[in-house]
Amino acid sequence: QKEVEQDPGPLSVPEGAIVSLNCTYSNSAFQYFMWYRQYSRKGPELLMYTYSSGNKEDGRFTAQVDKSSKYISLFIRDSQPSDSATYLCAMKSGGSYIPTFGRGTSLIVHP
Amino acid sequence: DAGVIQSPRHEVTEMGQEVTLRCKPISGHNSLFWYRQTMMRGLELLIYFNNNVPIDDSGMPEDRFSAKMPNASFSTLKIQPSEPRDSAVYFCASSDFSQGLAGGSTAEQFFGPGTRLTVL
Repeated sequence: QKEVEQDPGPLSVPEGAIVSLNCTYSNSAFQYFMWYRQYSRKGPELLMYTYSSGNKEDGRFTAQVDKSSKYISLFIRDSQPSDSATYLCAMKSGGSYIPTFGRGTSLIVHP
Repeated sequence: DAGVIQSPRHEVTEMGQEVTLRCKPISGHNSLFWYRQTMMRGLELLIYFNNNVPIDDSGMPEDRFSAKMPNASFSTLKIQPSEPRDSAVYFCASSDFSQGLAGGSTAEQFFGPGTRLTVL
């Protein structure tokens, strides 16, 4: 079992839908939780990060962490075709500079 | 800043040939990472450097792979000899460990555009 599990998809939704992307993990030492967005033929770029448990909102994006369940989520409201990309979760412990990445979920938002 | 620069963007080579991938990190960043991305395995860390010194190369698949960072503005990843199973997208990323995402030990990694390697 990998430390971080993420369904690769693809996830196809109509424009305007609410999207839920998720990761589970096994390492209870993880404290920093990140979401990277990767457009086709580009490198990943940091979208959001959260420290420990709780929610964080940034515009149409909400990151949620449930450490008791070892489960993190990224919600996208009013999804747009421009949100079509691969979303990678990443997480790390406080004592490490190196994140562990999920495989990424491919999201397709069709007009 | 131009961001992380990688070259070449695409490389097609034949099995057995030597391949050299190049990376210029963001100026001022003190850490550099080499990753490999495939559909099957996702993003895998190969090696990372801190202040030009290799810190962890446990992700390097085998002796055919080697990486160097002769100075703060340049790094190479070499595969010799290359094999078809090395076909993947190779990313370089840089980071500044003195700048924390949350004032602690986190630091955002900035990725380059990647080199798409095909070994025939």
